[in-house]
Amino acid sequence: AQRVTQPEKLLSVFKGAPVELKCNYSYSGSPELFWYVQYSRQRLQLLLRHISRESIKGFTADLNKGETSFHLKKPFAQEEDSAMYYCALSGLGGSGGYQKVTFGTGTKLQVIP
Amino acid sequence: DAMVIQNPRYQVTQFGKPVTLSCSQTLNHNVMYWYQQKSSQAPKLLFHYYDKDFNNEADTPDNFQSRRPNTSFCFLDIRSPGLGDAAMYLCATSSPSGFTYEQYFGPGTRLTVT
Repeated sequence: AQRVTQPEKLLSVFKGAPVELKCNYSYSGSPELFWYVQYSRQRLQLLLRHISRESIKGFTADLNKGETSFHLKKPFAQEEDSAMYYCALSGLGGSGGYQKVTFGTGTKLQVIP
Repeated sequence: DAMVIQNPRYQVTQFGKPVTLSCSQTLNHNVMYWYQQKSSQAPKLLFHYYDKDFNNEADTPDNFQSRRPNTSFCFLDIRSPGLGDAAMYLCATSSPSGFTYEQYFGPGTRLTVT
């Protein structure tokens, strides 16, 4: 079974403060981890994936297999970062090598001016 | 722009009255998904199509059915909606590239059951 846990429903930080959105996962194989973001009144969209090791909009996330974590970090929060953030895990499932994606319950990031 | 489109954006139906939600895509992706998302909860996968192959999640109620007549379109049919089926329904697509399965989401259809 695969599971994604985001312990915080709401995270409020001041503008310019560091941000860390926590994500822990449970999966027996080699997972692929993603962060998706949903800005107000917009569709859910991919922010970044661990396999790319990229920084998007100043956000980074490192896969820590020992701690089974994939926390999302940004050194200085900006007001436009306020959104709902979902951690997601992709693992083997179904037929034909399809990879099932499991989402966490999401963390709402609120950046206070 | 290539995208995932869902119609209608808002749907109101009566208890027990069948309803169909539609999704179309211009991305030419071979995988299409339907998710149900209730307030403050994670998107929950109902089923997906890998090309024409239908894959139902084990805990998806029989009340939910899906059709994919061609690559571009996918429909979600709720045969007898109950009050508990009120939710946001998200359609997504993906196209396997190596081992990466990025999903592209539509804006969702919010279903209200009266």
